[in-house]
Parts: sequence; C-alpha cells; structure tokens
Amino acid sequence: DAGVTQSPTHLIKTRGQQVTLRCSPKSGHDTVSWYQQALGQGPQFIFQYYEEEERQRGNFPDRFSGHQFPNYSSELNVNALLLGDSALYLCASSYTPGQADEKLFFGSGTQLSVL
Amino acid sequence: AQRVTQPEKLLSVFKGAPVELKCNYSYSGSPELFWYVQYSRQRLQLLLRHISRESIKGFTADLNKGETSFHLKKPFAQEEDSAMYYCALKNQGGKLIFGQGTELSVKP
Repeated sequence: DAGVTQSPTHLIKTRGQQVTLRCSPKSGHDTVSWYQQALGQGPQFIFQYYEEEERQRGNFPDRFSGHQFPNYSSELNVNALLLGDSALYLCASSYTPGQADEKLFFGSGTQLSVL
Repeated sequence: AQRVTQPEKLLSVFKGAPVELKCNYSYSGSPELFWYVQYSRQRLQLLLRHISRESIKGFTADLNKGETSFHLKKPFAQEEDSAMYYCALKNQGGKLIFGQGTELSVKP
C-alpha cells in the first residue's frame, strides 16, 4: 500500500491562473480532507469529502473547490490564483467519519508556487 | 472560537533532558486532541491521541480540561526526537484544527 499519494509534487503558476491538485487515498479509506500549509504555519483545513460530497469547509473563499470521485480519489481546484495561495497543499485520508479509528494519514503534499 | 496555541516556535534541549511541548486549546465542548509529528523529509503522521491514553516513543500527553492544555512530555529526549510537532483539535464535524507547530531540536 503506497499510502496517500498526491500529484504533482511541485507546481509553478502565475497569478490569475487555475490549478488542479490530485489525491489518491490510502487503500480502504473513503474520506479525503485537504489542508493548506503556509511556510512556518500549521496546516489549515480547507474542506473534507465523503461520499462524493463536501461535508465540512474551512474558512477559504469559493475560489477553492473540490471533487471526489467514485473511487474515493479527490481533486482540489483553485481559480484566479493569488500570490498568497503559494503553500504546501496536503491531502489526508481516513475511514468514514464517526468510526472509532478515524486516524488521518497524510500525503507528502504538493508545493504550489504562484509568481 | 476553536483554536490551538503552541507558544514555542522552537524548543532546544540536550540529549537526556526532559522535554515538554506546550499546547493550549479553546473549544466549547468535549475536545478530541492529537499530537502529530513531522520528521525531516517525512510526511506528517499521528504521534498520539488523548483518547488512547497511550505512550508512543516514550511521549505522553495528558488532557487538562481545567487548564485547557494538552502538553506533550518525554522524560529523556533522544536525538531522533528532533522534528516538528503539531498539536491538533478535532471538532464534532471531524475538522482538524492545528497549532502553528513547535520545532524540537535535541542536541548531542
């Protein structure tokens, strides 16, 4: 089991562009959460997907959107990129919310640089 | 407001010394608290959670509801403990709220 995999590992974009980041959860997991980690900060929750629906959302603008596919993989889309969107984007997977062992497994992240 | 505060950005100790990484939280309800660790060039991983009341790699953490704290402790630090440590709180919806992290540096 490769665990949580994210692609690409690095990405450089310019202001105003759009970006799509991808995540495959750990085998057996059906819930995916996305986090943004700015330099020197802790991860900040963007949103969580379960059963192909957004279940919870953090304090991020509508420019941030996502999707979950039937195979539980997920995409994070960011439109109209700003310089401040430069960060490490982490994907985490877990079992169904509310189950006893709801331990999060994190991917290695996608480093997004907006120029 | 739901918030996690780690007051120290960097904690430097010598090998064999005791370690305490501080974590305070703000949450109206019964909190579920975690410590995550990120070793150099590795992904973020769960170290321990308060509901398990377990000791992992010699680390323990006790939830103190009166002081709203969940400090991480180890009696004798090892060089391999050097890493970034994040305290996190899970709200009822399953959202994890992280602190800013404390870098632990254990010197030989």
